[in-house]
Amino acid sequence: ETGVTQTPRHLVMGMTNKKSLKCEQHLGHNAMYWYKQSAKKPLELMFVYSLEERVENNSVPSRFSPECPNSSHLFLHLHTLQPEDSALYLCASSPRTGSGANVLTFGAGSRLTVL
Amino acid sequence: GQNIDQPTEMTATEGAIVQINCTYQTSGFNGLFWYQQHAGEAPTFLSYNVLDGLEEKGRFSSFLSRSKGYSYLLLKELQMKDSASYLCAPMDSNYQLIWGAGTKLIIKP
Repeated sequence: ETGVTQTPRHLVMGMTNKKSLKCEQHLGHNAMYWYKQSAKKPLELMFVYSLEERVENNSVPSRFSPECPNSSHLFLHLHTLQPEDSALYLCASSPRTGSGANVLTFGAGSRLTVL
Repeated sequence: GQNIDQPTEMTATEGAIVQINCTYQTSGFNGLFWYQQHAGEAPTFLSYNVLDGLEEKGRFSSFLSRSKGYSYLLLKELQMKDSASYLCAPMDSNYQLIWGAGTKLIIKP
């Protein structure tokens, strides 16, 4: 266990469904991240939250909607997704943002399949 | 633009040594990270280099040359459990991690 827990680990949804991914960290970190990982591609940063405030939104389609109710929890709400959104979604946390030796701790990911 | 280049796949033998190279071009530089990711698992932190030179941590070492935009991860005394993907990620001037696509390392007995 890394201290970052993601649920569900696997999710299959249709294009008209609405679902949410959940991430929880027990490390006392102040920053949380959503990444998308597709096969043989670099990790794509989607969103960054620092002290519950969104500080990064990398041109992500509006069908992905993040929510950070407190510094320990992060959600990714999904609606009307496309098949190309099928990927592994990784949550990460770190002590802070905006500094060099800022090690990210990742969760094991949620494998999403959109039919 | 920003670019990371690392081999897609490498194969090595148990007990041997392997070097995984990473070349990068970033807007500014605030250090370089290496992460290990086993299939179906979370990426885990291996090393962080911000100054030139070699950092040794047990069987794993990481090297950085800032002037050449080059780093490598050296794995010694390979074990079967070292079969994983290795991700190179320099940090740019905005403290953003720029990720490579990863190198899949296959260890054979």
